[in-house]
Amino acid sequence: DTAVSQTPKYLVTQMGNDKSIKCEQNLGHDTMYWYKQDSKKFLKIMFSYNNKELIINETVPNRFSPKSPDKAHLNLHINSLELGDSAVYFCASSHDPTSLYGYTFGSGTRLTVV
Amino acid sequence: DQQVKQNSPSLSVQEGRISILNCDYTNSMFDYFLWYKKYPAEGPTFLISISSIKDKNEDGRFTVFLNKSAKHLSLHIVPSQPGDSAVYFCAASEGYSTLTFGKGTMLLVSP
Repeated sequence: DTAVSQTPKYLVTQMGNDKSIKCEQNLGHDTMYWYKQDSKKFLKIMFSYNNKELIINETVPNRFSPKSPDKAHLNLHINSLELGDSAVYFCASSHDPTSLYGYTFGSGTRLTVV
Repeated sequence: DQQVKQNSPSLSVQEGRISILNCDYTNSMFDYFLWYKKYPAEGPTFLISISSIKDKNEDGRFTVFLNKSAKHLSLHIVPSQPGDSAVYFCAASEGYSTLTFGKGTMLLVSP
């Protein structure tokens, strides 16, 4: 009964491959996010969806494409993986697009591109 | 362009003493600040927050102080416990924007 669950937890893949990371939340939240934690340890916003609609798309290569089939799910598809994509990707959700109640994060997906 | 800075990568404290984690920010438009705690192999969990209209917020052993003129906030943990050992992230937002995070400070509380 994990609140925000991500799969897979670990992903090792070769350069050039296409992969997807799935995220589901059972909190009834309206807003979901993808954050990337790179080697420098910063958590950087990539995308934000509110009720299945994209509301934030930071400067992210268009090889990254989020998809929200419903407000409980936000998946991340990455095409033509590069070495620099290696990072930990965190999914999160919140009541609404404001930050007032904080975000609930998943446990992360460690992506390693070799 | 680090808008939220946590300049201490790590901090070691003895059990029972006070832990003080610091955070500086550069964006004067930030009006909401949060602290998150992260254990290894887990996602960050929300700890405590403060809005810019306050200068202090307390929740049990955790107190956050905000100094707007200095663009500085701090998290005090009193008394520190070994279970507090984790990475602590400072985060900030401007209005209804998404959270901007710092790099985190690893706190180690020794028995």
